[in-house]
Amino acid sequence: DTAVSQTPKYLVTQMGNDKSIKCEQNLGHDTMYWYKQDSKKFLKIMFSYNNKELIINETVPNRFSPKSPDKAHLNLHINSLELGDSAVYFCASSQVRPVFQETQYFGPGTRLLVL
Amino acid sequence: DAKTTQPNSMESNEEEPVHLPCNHSTISGTDYIHWYRQLPSQGPEYVIHGLTSNVNNRMASLAIAEDRKSSTLILHRATLRDAAVYYCILSRGPGYALNFGKGTSLLVTP
Repeated sequence: DTAVSQTPKYLVTQMGNDKSIKCEQNLGHDTMYWYKQDSKKFLKIMFSYNNKELIINETVPNRFSPKSPDKAHLNLHINSLELGDSAVYFCASSQVRPVFQETQYFGPGTRLLVL
Repeated sequence: DAKTTQPNSMESNEEEPVHLPCNHSTISGTDYIHWYRQLPSQGPEYVIHGLTSNVNNRMASLAIAEDRKSSTLILHRATLRDAAVYYCILSRGPGYALNFGKGTSLLVTP
């Protein structure tokens, strides 16, 4: 069983389009994250949600909107895609309350290419 | 956020021990030291973490300096599958995101 899954694995699209990436975790965790890994391989946090509530929102364009329908899912919607959005997007999850567990579990990544 | 400094790359022979160093001279008293690794084309994977004492698990050992300003990840017998980028990260606590640096790219040769 995959602990953190993402769909799609690959996404190729044109500039200006709107796309969504889905993430699901079956670990029962209460906190989920989106990270972006650019072409230089730097991994940066974008957002994090705890029990469907946004708790981290880094300096990310408004075109990116996370949505958490329940604590097992955190989706990422991107409007008006730009060339610079091409990257690998990783979802992760961890348990914060009532017992904090240090480990974050990452999904396999979604490779987005904007043409 | 406290920063970590790691060598850009290291090389090891298969089945030999590997010591991956990390400097974190500005670490605060409550920061945990985490190590993650990222195999090619995969998401980051937890390796080990510690606060003050040395730690062992099935994957690796973590040796933490007495002043906590540096640490070393030890892979006891490197395998080809251990070739990855290894990240040393200081964690501020519950719910905080991981602040990944450049990491150390480990090459394991047969």
